Amino acid sequence: SQQGEEDPQALSIQEGENATMNCSYKTSINNLQWYRQNSGRGLVHLILIRSNEREKHSGRLRVTLDTSKKSSSLLITASRAADTASYFCATEIKAAGNKLTFGGGTRVLVKP
Amino acid sequence: DGGITQSPKYLFRKEGQNVTLSCEQNLNHDAMYWYRQDPGQGLRLIYYSQIVNDFQKGDIAEGYSVSREKKESFPLTVTSAQKNPTAFYLCASSMAAINQPQHFGDGTRLSIL
Repeated sequence: SQQGEEDPQALSIQEGENATMNCSYKTSINNLQWYRQNSGRGLVHLILIRSNEREKHSGRLRVTLDTSKKSSSLLITASRAADTASYFCATEIKAAGNKLTFGGGTRVLVKP
Repeated sequence: DGGITQSPKYLFRKEGQNVTLSCEQNLNHDAMYWYRQDPGQGLRLIYYSQIVNDFQKGDIAEGYSVSREKKESFPLTVTSAQKNPTAFYLCASSMAAINQPQHFGDGTRLSIL
């Protein structure tokens, strides 16, 4: 199975609501990263959280990391229709250099 | 503006044919990567390069080849040995150090004729 696995696989919410998605991983990491992918496009980097950090914010995004549980969460507050996309977590595993291992993604639909 | 350019956007391959996907970056990054994405799936690493004239196999390298003759360029060849090449191919680059984000191109969609 994959190093990073997202939950849920899909999420449908109304504009203005919050969206939360989770990522679990198996081995020790240097960092965990979240990316967004709009349909048919490349990935866009959102946030990188290092293994010694517990929480990071960027605009309406909040990421937490719990290394004891090997899990992370991404919260999007006050969602907008433009937030409709797939969101992927990726882990940079210790002893694997700067390669990333991606999860399967969470598909988020924000309805106007 | 700095970025990564992938071409072509769409590519069709005939049986037994090799095709080459282009990836160029002007971000002055040492590291470059090729990923494959199947519908509704995450990304899987094909090949990566940390420096010019050096590259390593990723998790699914069979049926693919790469070269890294210039810092800016990392072309991927999908050979006839790759029996299921239909996928979305993404190129990325980063600084060659840990704790660095990757920057992605807009992908090439490869289909079989």
